[in-house]
Amino acid sequence: DIQLTQSPSFLSASLGDRVTITCRPSQGISSYLAWYQQKPGKAPKLLIYTASTLQSGVPSRFSGSGSGTEFTLTISSLQPDDFATYYCQQHYTYPITFGQGTRLEIK
Amino acid sequence: EVQLVESGGGLVQPGGSLRLSCAASGYTFSDHYMDWVRQAPGKGLEWVGRIRNKANSYTTEYAASVKGRLTISRDDSKNSLYLQMNSLITEDAAVYYCTTVRDSSWSGSYSEYWGQGTLVAVSS
Repeated sequence: DIQLTQSPSFLSASLGDRVTITCRPSQGISSYLAWYQQKPGKAPKLLIYTASTLQSGVPSRFSGSGSGTEFTLTISSLQPDDFATYYCQQHYTYPITFGQGTRLEIK
Repeated sequence: EVQLVESGGGLVQPGGSLRLSCAASGYTFSDHYMDWVRQAPGKGLEWVGRIRNKANSYTTEYAASVKGRLTISRDDSKNSLYLQMNSLITEDAAVYYCTTVRDSSWSGSYSEYWGQGTLVAVSS
């Protein structure tokens, strides 16, 4: 199985900050990586797929990059609505796997 | 608007069975693959499995942790997805989400829309 390691696991940041979350697969997955946002008690929401394509309706302050074995999710200027947990997911092969999550909190 | 509504969760004893349902609307259900994803309390997301569409013979894929105990099926005439859960163990306790899969290619093989989830508790 492909393991996805996210870093950091926890991130404390302030409104307006630029933050980056990294996801490293245990083997190359081309560009087949998605990012999700989850708020407490809610279902995850798709943000980005195929590493860098923004899902319709997602604010442009979110961006994704990378390929192979290193990917990043960047939020250019943190807004109050962005404090949540973020997960990466590889959609390259079965079994589909998720990273362990990155919890983003207000400093 | 795409809507996915799960139901059927509850408390079940270890070794017991439960059947979850997911009612879909707002899109052409029969065209799409569907996934189940679960989340144990306070934990991360875990992919459970997938069912393909009729064009791909309704074939399925499962995570190793559930293979042989959990079975995914669908009824396109009812726009419904199911998860039959047998021989449940405490590790199966989680919120279960049904999700749509964008398309049948690997580039589209991610969860686009999610239901609100249904909680399964496994305890004696």
